[in-house]
Amino acid sequence: NAGVMQNPRHLVRRRGQEARLRCSPMKGHSHVYWYRQLPEEGLKFMVYLQKENIIDESGMPKERFSAEFPKEGPSILRIQQVVRGDSAAYFCASSPGFRAFFGQGTRLTVV
Amino acid sequence: QQPVQSPQAVILREGEDAVINCSSSKALYSVHWYRQKHGEAPIFLMILLKGGEQKGHDKISASFNEKKQQSSLYLTASQLSYSGTYFCGTERGAVLNRDDKIIFGKGTRLHILP
Repeated sequence: NAGVMQNPRHLVRRRGQEARLRCSPMKGHSHVYWYRQLPEEGLKFMVYLQKENIIDESGMPKERFSAEFPKEGPSILRIQQVVRGDSAAYFCASSPGFRAFFGQGTRLTVV
Repeated sequence: QQPVQSPQAVILREGEDAVINCSSSKALYSVHWYRQKHGEAPIFLMILLKGGEQKGHDKISASFNEKKQQSSLYLTASQLSYSGTYFCGTERGAVLNRDDKIIFGKGTRLHILP
């Protein structure tokens, strides 16, 4: 049973470009979380999704950020018109209902 | 809403013990403990659900107080491999009402010296 898969592992974008981060949850997991982590800081909650449904997006910036978890395919975190402050590690976690399993993260660098 | 972790950082010599605390102003449904090494994903250690619960494996254990507002992680006879940042994550929702998210504390950096 493969773990939570995130890709790409590293992503470099120029200011103003779009970043798309993908997360494939573990088989059978219907819940996905996205967290952002800045260097030497904690995991900041962004959004919590079920298939085709956003449960809680209270941690998402209101502009430029969006997330989806379609019926088929991975969950996508999309950042439009990236700025330098978006540079961070973005972790996805999936859950069957209890403990969360984390992916290896996508490290986004905006240049 | 974010749980408060203390201390922020700990430096120990190999073989010493450490306690990391996680507290909330409101009663929690569960507490999760994770360890993260630099540049890696957080790794699940354990989850506590019941007030008064204590659980653990090897030399790492945790407790959840009766009021379910505080949890402590105990690291006994620490090893070099225990180095990393420890996060507690808390949920306030019930398992049948899966509309709550896991909120993490800011982490406790643990550094073990040989």
